Amino acid sequence: AQSVAQPEDQVNVAEGNPLTVKCTYSVSGNPYLFWYVQYPNRGLQFLLKYITGDNLVKGSYGFEAEFNKSQTSFHLKKPSALVSDSALYFCAVTIRGGSYIPTFGRGTSLIVHP
Amino acid sequence: NAGVTQTPKFRVLKTGQSMTLLCAQDMNHEYMYWYRQDPGMGLRLIHYSVGEGTTAKGEVPDGYNVSRLKKQNFLLGLESAAPSQTSVYFCASSYSTVLAGDNEQFFGPGTRLTVL
Repeated sequence: AQSVAQPEDQVNVAEGNPLTVKCTYSVSGNPYLFWYVQYPNRGLQFLLKYITGDNLVKGSYGFEAEFNKSQTSFHLKKPSALVSDSALYFCAVTIRGGSYIPTFGRGTSLIVHP
Repeated sequence: NAGVTQTPKFRVLKTGQSMTLLCAQDMNHEYMYWYRQDPGMGLRLIHYSVGEGTTAKGEVPDGYNVSRLKKQNFLLGLESAAPSQTSVYFCASSYSTVLAGDNEQFFGPGTRLTVL
């Protein structure tokens, strides 16, 4: 079984400040973890993924995420937020050697204020 | 490459009518998926396919049927539409690999369906 939790429905941050969007997961085995972004009236776009190796993963648009096995977390971060980062963010998980069907979190709305 | 395309972009149906949503991908992906997205519910998997001629049920398959006659196309059908099927529908595709599950999905732009 696998599940993903995004504990915050909405995150507000001022432009130029660092941002964090939280994700925790629960799997029976080793996870593959993904972040996607959805801009208004668009489909989801892949941002980054953790498969194995370095716990810090860098992705598109200056985003990065840190895999923390002990805390079962994969938080998305960016050092300096832009107004254009405002969007809906989804975390997803699959299991190595298990189901290849991803389980998605419910999404977190990121609002960056000018 | 066009990536993943969906037709139509918008549709309004009356209760009991039928329709087919078409998804096409030009990336030679083995796996294809249909999701629905509702406010506060995130993405829910309706049906998926791991290759041409194969389909399987996802989390919310009732009221929907699918077919994958060609590798590049994945059709989602509603035989008798109900207001509860008002939603935004997304198609996605991904590569298959030995490890499985390690490849990201590519999503289409969505179809906004309203059932009156």
